[in-house]
Amino acid sequence: EPEVTQTPSHQVTQMGQEVILRCVPISNHLYFYWYRQILGQKVEFLVSFYNNEISEKSEIFDDQFSVERPDGSNFTLKIRSTKLEDSAMYFCASSPRGLIVNTDTQYFGPGTRLTVL
Amino acid sequence: GQQVMQIPQYQHVQEGEDFTTYCNSSTTLSNIQWYKQRPGGHPVFLIQLVKSGEVKKQKRLTFQFGEAKKNSSLHITATQTTDVGTYFCAGNSGGYQKVTFGTGTKLQVIP
Repeated sequence: EPEVTQTPSHQVTQMGQEVILRCVPISNHLYFYWYRQILGQKVEFLVSFYNNEISEKSEIFDDQFSVERPDGSNFTLKIRSTKLEDSAMYFCASSPRGLIVNTDTQYFGPGTRLTVL
Repeated sequence: GQQVMQIPQYQHVQEGEDFTTYCNSSTTLSNIQWYKQRPGGHPVFLIQLVKSGEVKKQKRLTFQFGEAKKNSSLHITATQTTDVGTYFCAGNSGGYQKVTFGTGTKLQVIP
């Protein structure tokens, strides 16, 4: 069964450094997402991406964050200057049709645990 | 902003007992999804409901979307140890892509 993959599984960085988290969505899916989950808390939406542009973003997704689809397979999340509070699990997800039709689905990757020191 | 609350926060049940988690949104939802997250794992999509009053079943799991499209429930009949995990509801309000997750219900099944 196709799956969303993410690299690295764990990233440790110093406060103020830039990080890039990578994801490979399922190949025929059109909508891509980034979420984060602080340990023990709920999953929080960051951004959705369709047709090579951001379709929606949350209040969390400020100027320090950016997303890119640099080629036909990868989808990246960049945090320009990490803060301690950015420490969390970051999940990438993809959906065939963006949850618009009632039979649609959303698949999550295994996540990247980001630790900011 | 939109808030989605779930109760209970935690539930311990004996294997074989039933379990229900309730999801309430502060705003009317366009649709609602349910996810299961095992400890240390990622959310796994279970189902999406879109119609007012809709009820869907998956084996021992029954999902319901409220008439006003502001609440939902997940009921598991005769729990098994494999049901252990945190169950999240998640909904879209207006824009389809901005999904708001509920606070989650952590289920522990005692063998």
